[in-house]
Amino acid sequence: DIQLTQSPSFLSASVGDRVTITCRASQGISSYLAWYQQKPGKAPKVLIYPASTLQSGVPSRFSGSGSGTEFTLTISSLQPEDFATYYCQQLNSYPRTFGPGTKVDIK
Amino acid sequence: QVQLQESGPGLVKPSQTLSLTCTVSGGSITSDGYYWSWIRQHPGKGLEWIGFISYRGSTYFHPSLRSRGTISVDTSRNQFSLNLSSVTAADTAVYYCARDRDEFPFDYWGQGTLVTVSS
Repeated sequence: DIQLTQSPSFLSASVGDRVTITCRASQGISSYLAWYQQKPGKAPKVLIYPASTLQSGVPSRFSGSGSGTEFTLTISSLQPEDFATYYCQQLNSYPRTFGPGTKVDIK
Repeated sequence: QVQLQESGPGLVKPSQTLSLTCTVSGGSITSDGYYWSWIRQHPGKGLEWIGFISYRGSTYFHPSLRSRGTISVDTSRNQFSLNLSSVTAADTAVYYCARDRDEFPFDYWGQGTLVTVSS
């Protein structure tokens, strides 16, 4: 199985802050990486796939980069609705695996 | 707009079988190229992919659950189902169904249903 790690696991930030989350894969996955946002009590929502392509309707303050084994999700200016947990997921092979998540909380 | 809805018991006794159904609306489960997945999330934890089925019945299960799980499809009802046998407290989780496609992320999800394993 391809293992994904995320850092940090938790971050506290203020509205307007620039936030960066890192996802690392245990082996190369090219650009087959997706980023999801999950709010409490809701299903995850895909933000970016492949690694750097914003999904339709996702605000442009979100961006993704990376390939191979290291990827980043950046929120350029954090908005109140962005406080949530973010997960990366690899689509290179089965079984599909997710990172452990990064919770973004209000400072 | 495709919608998915999970249904099934919210409480299952240890050693019994967990059975959930996902009903797909707004689209056909027989649409070519799509797989239909189950994903779970333990309370306060991350996401775990369980497995998928295609409308033709081909399945792939997470190796850690393969010995206990089955996924079936009922195209006449636009539904697919998950059975997980010999459950323990470790199977307590929110279970989601989702639409999958090879090399594409899960684009449509159900709202999730909490299944608690307890006597």
